Amino acid sequence: SQTIHQWPATLVQPVGSPLSLECTVEGTSNPNLYWYRQAAGRGLQLLFYSVGIGQISSEVPQNLSASRPQDRQFILSSKKLLLSDSGFYLCASSNLLADRTDTQYFGPGTRLTVL
Amino acid sequence: SQQGEEDPQALSIQEGENATMNCSYKTSINNLQWYRQNSGRGLVHLILIRSNEREKHSGRLRVTLDTSKKSSSLLITASRAADTASYFCATDTGGFKTIFGAGTRLFVKA
Repeated sequence: SQTIHQWPATLVQPVGSPLSLECTVEGTSNPNLYWYRQAAGRGLQLLFYSVGIGQISSEVPQNLSASRPQDRQFILSSKKLLLSDSGFYLCASSNLLADRTDTQYFGPGTRLTVL
Repeated sequence: SQQGEEDPQALSIQEGENATMNCSYKTSINNLQWYRQNSGRGLVHLILIRSNEREKHSGRLRVTLDTSKKSSSLLITASRAADTASYFCATDTGGFKTIFGAGTRLFVKA
């Protein structure tokens, strides 16, 4: 099965600072990759998904961006963080062709606090 | 609005009791999945039920799907304190995205 690594686990950043969260995947090739944000006690909001290297789809207009420089690497970035960017960020991977299901495997998440 | 919506939002039961959570959705689906999330952690896949299936079991979990009512239920039998977590349903409508509901927070008292 797939293993998803995310870092850092927690992050406290001042408003206006840049952001870079990294996610790497083991155990599969050519996966679909996802970035979600979760507010406290709430469901998941899909931010970006990618079906291949360099292919990024944005779901929510915001000051965040995503990149996929390698097949199993997914990066979430911001040039200037806002207070509203605080939340729990989750990276996920799925591989419909290999697994025959779109089951998503999640990383442990990054808790971001913007002050 | 959310494709999948869980009900209840929160549930508190005693250890040994059964816990039932429901999920409703709006559009046709290929499959529906249930995930579990422990506090502050990532989600873990529990079970998948396809649109042509009506019931599925996995250990103490039983999932039903009623496509005519666009609803699913997750039953956890003989609950344990370790089952305390949030449970999410997620629907696959055939695109690249799986849509998650807002979740049910289950608290099992020892």
